Amino acid sequence: SQQGEEDPQALSIQEGENATMNCSYKTSINNLQWYRQNSGRGLVHLILIRSNEREKHSGRLRVTLDTSKKSSSLLITASRAADTASYFCATRIYGNNRLAFGKGNQVVVIP
Amino acid sequence: GAGVSQSPRYKVAKRGQDVALRCDPISGHVSLFWYQQALGQGPEFLTYFQNEAQLDKSGLPSDRFFAERPEGSVSTLKIQRTQQEDSAVYLCASSLAETGGEQFFGPGTRLTVL
Repeated sequence: SQQGEEDPQALSIQEGENATMNCSYKTSINNLQWYRQNSGRGLVHLILIRSNEREKHSGRLRVTLDTSKKSSSLLITASRAADTASYFCATRIYGNNRLAFGKGNQVVVIP
Repeated sequence: GAGVSQSPRYKVAKRGQDVALRCDPISGHVSLFWYQQALGQGPEFLTYFQNEAQLDKSGLPSDRFFAERPEGSVSTLKIQRTQQEDSAVYLCASSLAETGGEQFFGPGTRLTVL
């Protein structure tokens, strides 16, 4: 069953704007990962944040994790048309290597 | 370098046929995962291998689904007596270690059961 739940489901923004999407989960986790999926490159790992971390940056990506609220956010700054894709959060629980994916956010960046 | 490859990329089967989907993980990757992704949904876990050992098959939806990785590299997901509800994209992923880090996904096999 899906653990992560992203909100909002669909987002349309102008190129250069920032895009923020959220994810909530239900059980205690070891780490949370964000993936991007588009037709050209399939499902690609973006960033991983461990349960003892609160914030992480990678290029134009910023992810936060609030384990008390069981939620995470992904911020994409200065968006580009190439950022158009579906974004999924995925959680890994202790003692288990599987990933539980959310339903995904569809992001459209308009040039 | 070469990523995860899957074949075939597309498969159309008549209801009741058996299908076999192949995954070639990144060389040296210990862990291999199969996921099923329905249209408009996120991937759902099917099964996990560490080398040749199938450590978790709790996500397989029925006994019609069977996966193997006999030599700890290439894996095959077999679906017997396919049903329409089996139509989905089947994704294979591999990771270097068994520590639950980043997974590298293949392009998937889109299965359509008529």
